[in-house]
Amino acid sequence: QSALTQPPSASGSPGQSVTISCTGTSSDVGGYNYVSWYQQHPGKAPKLMIYEVSKRPSGVPDRFSGSKSGNTASLTVSGLQAEDEADYYCSSYAGSNNFVFGTGTKVTVL
Amino acid sequence: EVQLVESGGGLVQPGGSLRLSCAASGFTFSSYWMSWVRQAPGKGLEWVANIKQDGSEKYYVDSVKGRFTISRDNAKNSLYLQMNSLRAEDTAVYYCAREGLAVAGAFDYWGQGTLVTVSS
Repeated sequence: QSALTQPPSASGSPGQSVTISCTGTSSDVGGYNYVSWYQQHPGKAPKLMIYEVSKRPSGVPDRFSGSKSGNTASLTVSGLQAEDEADYYCSSYAGSNNFVFGTGTKVTVL
Repeated sequence: EVQLVESGGGLVQPGGSLRLSCAASGFTFSSYWMSWVRQAPGKGLEWVANIKQDGSEKYYVDSVKGRFTISRDNAKNSLYLQMNSLRAEDTAVYYCAREGLAVAGAFDYWGQGTLVTVSS
């Protein structure tokens, strides 16, 4: 149950796009379409942004989108806004009712 | 409104025990799988354990197997985590999280967390 690999940081100017990768294995990301993404502001609880690779819960702006290819999932934030500055974590179902999270990416809006 | 409120965290010595609670409201608690997720200070999220709607199935991350026990009381709309033989590396904020029905394989609601510090 090793953590999924994410880049430590990513950044972009307001209005630009940023893409965060999440690399796992065929036992987690590559094996299931149950990849989700969470946004976490400092001192706050995580918030679900994307589930089942590319679906958005009600209330999440369509600036947030997800995709997957093989063992790597990606989250793209388009039209960056100041409030998007946060930590982002991916998660994947890993079989046998286990879940694994990514190492986390700090997104900075320049 | 869905609410999850954790309690029971605190300072405990290595080898000690602690029981965390999570009070749920605003939804039919007995219809959902529930999980505990933790976050060590300045670190990432780690899934710890989950439990089926009726408590008949329970799963744990390898690092807590044999030391932690997840349970629930659907009559009290409450989730619990009994933590024994605590180690310094168990120091973290522990979140209670609901595994969604409409959002498969994801955690759609989270509590605000309770801090557990294991130190002498």
